[in-house]
Amino acid sequence: DTGVSQNPRHKITKRGQNVTFRCDPISEHNRLYWYRQTLGQGPEFLTYFQNEAQLEKSRLLSDRFSAERPKGSFSTLEIQRTEQGDSAMYLCASSLRGGGYTFGSGTRLTVV
Amino acid sequence: GIQVEQSPPDLILQEGANSTLRCNFSDSVNNLQWFHQNPWGQLINLFYIPSGTKQNGRLSATTVATERYSLLYISSSQTTDSGVYFCAVEGDKLIFGTGTRLQVFP
Repeated sequence: DTGVSQNPRHKITKRGQNVTFRCDPISEHNRLYWYRQTLGQGPEFLTYFQNEAQLEKSRLLSDRFSAERPKGSFSTLEIQRTEQGDSAMYLCASSLRGGGYTFGSGTRLTVV
Repeated sequence: GIQVEQSPPDLILQEGANSTLRCNFSDSVNNLQWFHQNPWGQLINLFYIPSGTKQNGRLSATTVATERYSLLYISSSQTTDSGVYFCAVEGDKLIFGTGTRLQVFP
């Protein structure tokens, strides 16, 4: 068990470009979550999957955001046509239902 | 949705001092966790504590679910304890408080 892995650790992109982040959860965890954290704030929920099914999406997740978890293993979060307001730390977590959450190290996105 | 409030928002201590961080939440929860976020942004799980008391070294936590609060105790603080401490509660998903920023000076 190597914990939750996120790639890349840092991403700098120009406004208008698309970006994709990857999360590899703890293998035996069936739930996977994406959160976003801006400076000085606590992490905010974006979406979560149970196995391959996306069960909930926050209103924060605009149409430019899409998340997938094919085969119930790793997940990707894509942001299309990035805006400066998308600059944030994107955190992934996994858990077993009813258990504690384990977070990855995050992907820090900077949109210039 | 569930509201999570943490106090104090900021805390400055000298090395060796003790401190208590508080988390209040507005509704019944299935899960409560305390995290420490280090300067690199990593959220480190300290305690999974929906109720009762747990201790891990210099840290301990108590959750009184019926009264909807949790406390995190840090004893004999060290400079490496600096960072932001988050309380997070789970109804159907984990909701974070705004955190307590702790600075420990030598």
